[in-house]
Amino acid sequence: EAQVTQNPRYLITVTGKKLTVTCSQNMNHEYMSWYRQDPGLGLRQIYYSMNVEVTDKGDVPEGYKVSRKEKRNFPLILESPSPNQTSLYFCASSLTGPREQYFGPGTRLTVT
Amino acid sequence: AQKVTQAQTEISVVEKEDVTLDCVYETRDTTYYLFWYKQPPSGELVFLIRRNSFDEQNEISGRYSWNFQKSTSSFNFTITASQVVDSAVYFCALSEAIAGGTSYGKLTFGQGTILTVHP
Repeated sequence: EAQVTQNPRYLITVTGKKLTVTCSQNMNHEYMSWYRQDPGLGLRQIYYSMNVEVTDKGDVPEGYKVSRKEKRNFPLILESPSPNQTSLYFCASSLTGPREQYFGPGTRLTVT
Repeated sequence: AQKVTQAQTEISVVEKEDVTLDCVYETRDTTYYLFWYKQPPSGELVFLIRRNSFDEQNEISGRYSWNFQKSTSSFNFTITASQVVDSAVYFCALSEAIAGGTSYGKLTFGQGTILTVHP
């Protein structure tokens, strides 16, 4: 089954404790992207990757890191999470940009 | 910089009513792409349509239709004879080329419109 998977789905952590949210797709897509969703703000792009080893900032990259070492995986790293990074995070992929994107199920992160 | 505005925060209708969701965008590019996505109460995001800036033809898919007007920078979405299953948050999004090039990686979403269809 074609899908984008994210782990974990729910995470509660404390300020400053490094964490990684994994994202994996099995559709051989070139393009992958991370978004955060906050009430009243819609979805905002954090980082995207046009293909392996090529990543670029979206609209809200501060406090986040990404890496794209292999086509299928695109982890999101929070080196020192803060409460303002409490949000719902979505990973997405598409054959290339800008085509129909397939979204993962979301990761709800709470930073206390 | 690209911008998408969905001025309608929430819309409430009764089943079988027609409803139009507005989307206005800003871009300096002549080549760009517009999208609509649906997020039902279950939370997943579902692609509905993509339109490029050179294709101003209206699109109809069942009860859904889209009206793209470059003159007013709008890409509105109409649901005809709405149903309870149409209740969702709907997002409009825009992708323009980065620095006038050919890379369309950046995607900007509107704030979303919450549509509630009552039985």
